[in-house]
Amino acid sequence: NAGVTQTPKFRVLKTGQSMTLLCAQDMNHEYMYWYRQDPGMGLRLIHYSVGEGTTAKGEVPDGYNVSRLKKQNFLLGLESAAPSQTSVYFCASSYSWTVDSNQPQHFGDGTRLSIL
Amino acid sequence: AQKVTQAQTEISVVEKEDVTLDCVYETRDTTYYLFWYKQPPSGELVFLIRRNSFDEQNEISGRYSWNFQKSTSSFNFTITASQVVDSAVYFCALSTTQGGSEKLVFGKGMKLTVNP
Repeated sequence: NAGVTQTPKFRVLKTGQSMTLLCAQDMNHEYMYWYRQDPGMGLRLIHYSVGEGTTAKGEVPDGYNVSRLKKQNFLLGLESAAPSQTSVYFCASSYSWTVDSNQPQHFGDGTRLSIL
Repeated sequence: AQKVTQAQTEISVVEKEDVTLDCVYETRDTTYYLFWYKQPPSGELVFLIRRNSFDEQNEISGRYSWNFQKSTSSFNFTITASQVVDSAVYFCALSTTQGGSEKLVFGKGMKLTVNP
């Protein structure tokens, strides 16, 4: 099983450029999440989705947009990249608590993004 | 508000030593989940354990053990007879159910270095 796949794994952008990070999961999970990891900060939630067509803001949503057009995909967009968005981005997915409260979130391997 | 505190930022031990990683959490929810994740130098997040707020039974799994105490809001993790392969950053996390989605709040992580 592929689990959670993030594309790309690495990317370097110039300030002001835009890009989209793709997260795909093959576990039929309802919930999907985007986190960012910065040194000494742990992981912080950017946006999340509880189902196809729905998204919600997390702890640090500014500068990012997301879309969940298909259940298996969750896209994270940077419209105008800034150096402060240099980070490692992790996507995760999980079942809803009503389906299975014993399963943890499954994480992708991360995308390392540098904004120059 | 949900909060996870990992007071230790970095620990260095010699192989075969026992090491305990501390985690203190804050939440007003009566139902919540606590997690430990491991992030080896390769960068991926590895799920170790999940405990719900109604299950204070401590567990031993091989060289790993967990001590969950609601009275002190602590969820500590112990590695017995540490090995070099245990070198990683360890994250404690707390899940909330706000909005019906299981969102994780992470501690800032603790870097464990096991020296041969």
